[in-house]
Amino acid sequence: GEDVEQSLFLSVREGDSSVINCTYTDSSSTYLYWYKQEPGAGLQLLTYIFSNMDMKQDQRLTVLLNKKDKHLSLRIADTQTGDSAIYFCAENSDRGSTLGRLYFGRGTQLTVWP
Amino acid sequence: EAGVTQFPSHSVIEKGQTVTLRCDPISGHDNLYWYRRVMGKEIKFLLHFVKESKQDESGMPNNRFLAERTGGTYSTLKVQPAELEDSGVYFCASSLPRLSYEQYFGPGTRLTVT
Repeated sequence: GEDVEQSLFLSVREGDSSVINCTYTDSSSTYLYWYKQEPGAGLQLLTYIFSNMDMKQDQRLTVLLNKKDKHLSLRIADTQTGDSAIYFCAENSDRGSTLGRLYFGRGTQLTVWP
Repeated sequence: EAGVTQFPSHSVIEKGQTVTLRCDPISGHDNLYWYRRVMGKEIKFLLHFVKESKQDESGMPNNRFLAERTGGTYSTLKVQPAELEDSGVYFCASSLPRLSYEQYFGPGTRLTVT
């Protein structure tokens, strides 16, 4: 099975909050990430959280980490049409190899309706 | 400061041909990674360079793939001979020497093998 799982699609109305969820399996995860990919563009590092933190806030973005349940979420407040993109959850753990390798989910396509 | 750049942005080749992808990391980033996303699937790690040395190449699918980073600057990824299942988007990422957890991605090269 996959190591990082996330739902594939999410649709919200402009101005509402979006919550994108992710679960992972490796309890030794050190960092957990959210990357954003806009159409035709590369992966943009949105934010990341260290595994000993529960929450990180950055402007409209709030990351929540439940380490016990291995659950990561990204909340986007006041979602705008420009937030429409694919959001990838990723984790970075030392699984017997060099720290640095990222494990990604399949990505969640966020569609924001005006 | 320039980000990670990749060339070409798109390549269409026939099965059995050879293709070489190039990645220029952010200046000063000793760590360089290659990842690949096959259509609809998760982004998967291919390999990790530290300067010119291969730190981890456990994600390379088979010996048709050859990655190099002569001089520790830019990197190339050659696929020879290409097969249909090699189609996908190849991403390059880089990070600072002691910040391997903060990876910055390029726009990707979309490879189509027909």
